[in-house]
Amino acid sequence: AQKVTQAQTEISVVEKEDVTLDCVYETRDTTYYLFWYKQPPSGELVFLIRRNSFDEQNEISGRYSWNFQKSTSSFNFTITASQVVDSAVYFCALRRQAGTALIFGKGTTLSVSS
Amino acid sequence: SAVISQKPSRDICQRGTSLTIQCQVDSQVTMMFWYRQQPGQSLTLIATANQGSEATYESGFVIDKFPISRPNLTFSTLTVSNMSPEDSSIYLCSVLGIGGDEAFFGQGTRLTVV
Repeated sequence: AQKVTQAQTEISVVEKEDVTLDCVYETRDTTYYLFWYKQPPSGELVFLIRRNSFDEQNEISGRYSWNFQKSTSSFNFTITASQVVDSAVYFCALRRQAGTALIFGKGTTLSVSS
Repeated sequence: SAVISQKPSRDICQRGTSLTIQCQVDSQVTMMFWYRQQPGQSLTLIATANQGSEATYESGFVIDKFPISRPNLTFSTLTVSNMSPEDSSIYLCSVLGIGGDEAFFGQGTRLTVV
């Protein structure tokens, strides 16, 4: 069975703090894809990153970084020096081989106050 | 990338009526999906829209309630039938890009049933 767990329901931080959003996944497939999306209050889904199961290299994009560890089935997302505009719901998602739908975690609501 | 136009963006409907949501993609895609996001919840897959054949529904969703059409490779509709307040949700159309790696989402239809 495929499953994504985001244990943190809500996180509140003050601006400039670093914050890590956890994502743990379950799959028996050897080939799979992991995603992170941001959903601001306006409701649209904003794509952040895709990672396939063969690429464990961590990635950094500006203030965003992702840590993929197959050994612990985790794909965590860190925002450095958080800003108020980072306030949103963040979803981690899993997809099996190409051509299938995404399975989403329950999401983590991040609130950044000034 | 694929650009998805989803209409309407929002609607308020009376219970017992039906609403048809349209999803138009700017390029031919193989896979199209419909998701529901209930208030404060994650995205749940309703069905895979198959071109030229009946949609494939996930457990808990039935064709009589959520009929789906997909007449060609760039267009699909989802109808929410005989609506009740419990159907108040955001409905999202999603497609997979060429190669099946990337997933793209429409901006969503915010439905309120009164």
